[in-house]
Amino acid sequence: RKEVEQDPGPFNVPEGATVAFNCTYSNSASQSFFWYRQDCRKEPKLLMSVYSSGNEDGRFTAQLNRASQYISLLIRDSKLSDSATYLCVVKWWGQNFVFGPGTRLSVLP
Amino acid sequence: EAGVAQSPRYKIIEKRQSVAFWCNPISGHATLYWYQQILGQGPKLLIQFQNNGVVDDSQLPKDRFSAERLKGVDSTLKIQPAKLEDSAVYLCASSLDPGTGVQYEQYFGPGTRLTVT
Repeated sequence: RKEVEQDPGPFNVPEGATVAFNCTYSNSASQSFFWYRQDCRKEPKLLMSVYSSGNEDGRFTAQLNRASQYISLLIRDSKLSDSATYLCVVKWWGQNFVFGPGTRLSVLP
Repeated sequence: EAGVAQSPRYKIIEKRQSVAFWCNPISGHATLYWYQQILGQGPKLLIQFQNNGVVDDSQLPKDRFSAERLKGVDSTLKIQPAKLEDSAVYLCASSLDPGTGVQYEQYFGPGTRLTVT
């Protein structure tokens, strides 16, 4: 089983839609969680950290479920500019960051 | 504030040739990472430096890959000899990481796109 798994997509949604991505991780001794965004042929950039109590940043909401070992990202009111690949990142105690394969989102006009 | 700089941006070489990539992290960032990103996959860590010391190189194919960060600032990653499966984007990232175990945001450079023919 891979350490960090994501549905590769693509998710094709119309503007204004709400879309959710899930990410599962294999090791329960996990420390930190992040969502990164990567535009086509660009470098990854931090979208948001994921906290145990869940957190929100504008149209973006991240949730963590340690018991089921998954994190989620919810995007409300999708914009064309949200089209990108969303990378789930997990860090385990004493180990480095592990990136998931990414989920591709296309927001259609 | 200047971002992470990398060069070259693109490189095409034949298999069995050698290649080197350069990275200059954000000023003051103690930790530097090299990642390999194959098309359609997430970045995979190759090596992590804290200042000029290696923290993690467990996934670096040491028979052909080497990296150094001699003065604790910029870094080079070398592949010798290259194989077809080394075709990927090589990303450098840096973070503040004061060594207290707190992981700060990683800032990525634009990457070097390597094609091995």
